[in-house]
Amino acid sequence: NAGVTQTPKFRVLKTGQSMTLLCAQDMNHEYMYWYRQDPGMGLRLIHYSVGEGTTAKGEVPDGYNVSRLKKQNFLLGLESAAPSQTSVYFCASSYEPPGGRSGNTIYFGEGSWLTVV
Amino acid sequence: GNSVTQMEGPVTLSEEAFLTINCTYTATGYPSLFWYVQYPGEGLQLLLKATKADDKGSNKGFEATYRKETTSFHLEKGSVQVSDSAVYFCALARTSYDKVIFGPGTSLSVIP
Repeated sequence: NAGVTQTPKFRVLKTGQSMTLLCAQDMNHEYMYWYRQDPGMGLRLIHYSVGEGTTAKGEVPDGYNVSRLKKQNFLLGLESAAPSQTSVYFCASSYEPPGGRSGNTIYFGEGSWLTVV
Repeated sequence: GNSVTQMEGPVTLSEEAFLTINCTYTATGYPSLFWYVQYPGEGLQLLLKATKADDKGSNKGFEATYRKETTSFHLEKGSVQVSDSAVYFCALARTSYDKVIFGPGTSLSVIP
């Protein structure tokens, strides 16, 4: 079972370079998310999408762009990488919003380790 | 604003010890509450959840009760195993929100 797949898993960038992280899910989920995880700060939401063709800003969107051209894919772009963007990035998806009485589960990918030097 | 506070780690316990990880939250309305677990080198996965006051979520020997009067959702396990070593995240999602808010995580190490 593939679930949520992220590529690449590891990447080292030089300051100013650009790159794209790809997230793919095979569960037909409407909602997709990009988080970054930093020591002592937990997970912070960068951007999210509530369906194909939609995107919205999360807590820490600056320096990132996203696109959701296909329902199953959610791309995270860094146009000009900075050392402050060194982090572990997690993509996640859910069928419905996690709030409400059903408390829908969010499914996470295994993470992408990005180092900017 | 909405937020989640967890006890700071790391927490180190001996095998078969009792575990409590405290979690308190601030939110308007009636959020759903979650515990997610992250094993080394992996993404987060749902451990348990509760969607209304006094609900008890349970899974794999872990339990947590939604206490609205104390705005808490403490995680407990009666007898931990080495395989429970992981980072545990408390989280909430408001009724009308699309997003989950995570706490900072608590690292647990269980030694034989």
